[in-house]
Amino acid sequence: QVQLQESGPGLVKPSETLSLTCTVSGFSISSAYYWGWIRQPPGKGLEWIGSIHHSGSTYFTPSLKSRVTISVDTSKNQFSLKLSSVTAADTAVYYCARMFPIRHFDYWGQGTLVTVSS
Amino acid sequence: QSALTQPASVSGSPGQSITISCTGTSSDVGGYNYVSWSQQHPGKAPKLMIYDVSIRPSGVSNRFSGSKSGNTASLTISGLQAEDEADYYCSSYTTSSTVVFGGGTKLTVL
Repeated sequence: QVQLQESGPGLVKPSETLSLTCTVSGFSISSAYYWGWIRQPPGKGLEWIGSIHHSGSTYFTPSLKSRVTISVDTSKNQFSLKLSSVTAADTAVYYCARMFPIRHFDYWGQGTLVTVSS
Repeated sequence: QSALTQPASVSGSPGQSITISCTGTSSDVGGYNYVSWSQQHPGKAPKLMIYDVSIRPSGVSNRFSGSKSGNTASLTISGLQAEDEADYYCSSYTTSSTVVFGGGTKLTVL
């Protein structure tokens, strides 16, 4: 049973860096799949942020590319998201998910709300 | 990249069929058979319902079906049930090697 769990601070100050980790259980992160981050502002739709393969190959949505870093730690079966210079517009529920290479997301974490506020 | 276009809301009565459209361009929906549909109940994570235009993952009811014509993909739900009331999102692979989502459609079962 593939399970994903997001963790990290629920409150981040403007201009600082948002950092989240996704722990994967029941499946090796060192597989052919990609691992992705998606966010959803309150009351709005889904936005793909980016995805990573255990080899280090990454893809990002153009609008966030300059502020996003995604990394993988195969020893811990985890992958992480860093989003720099956050503003209130980055307030959202952040989901991690398993991704069939650059196509669809088949397993999702429960999501974690990150609020950007001073 | 622009979000795919979905109707904001659709509705239907129990037992009826409804169809949700998802319109993109030749750079995404029209260019690849990599359209997926996800269902999201309030406060829950999305659930994959259809991938690669028309394939249902194991465990998804055969009341859900997908299709595509040109730059528009469609999700059809037949025999509507109360539990189908949710938000539905389409997504597609793009020529830029990225993924783009639709704006979402709220399905109301009357």
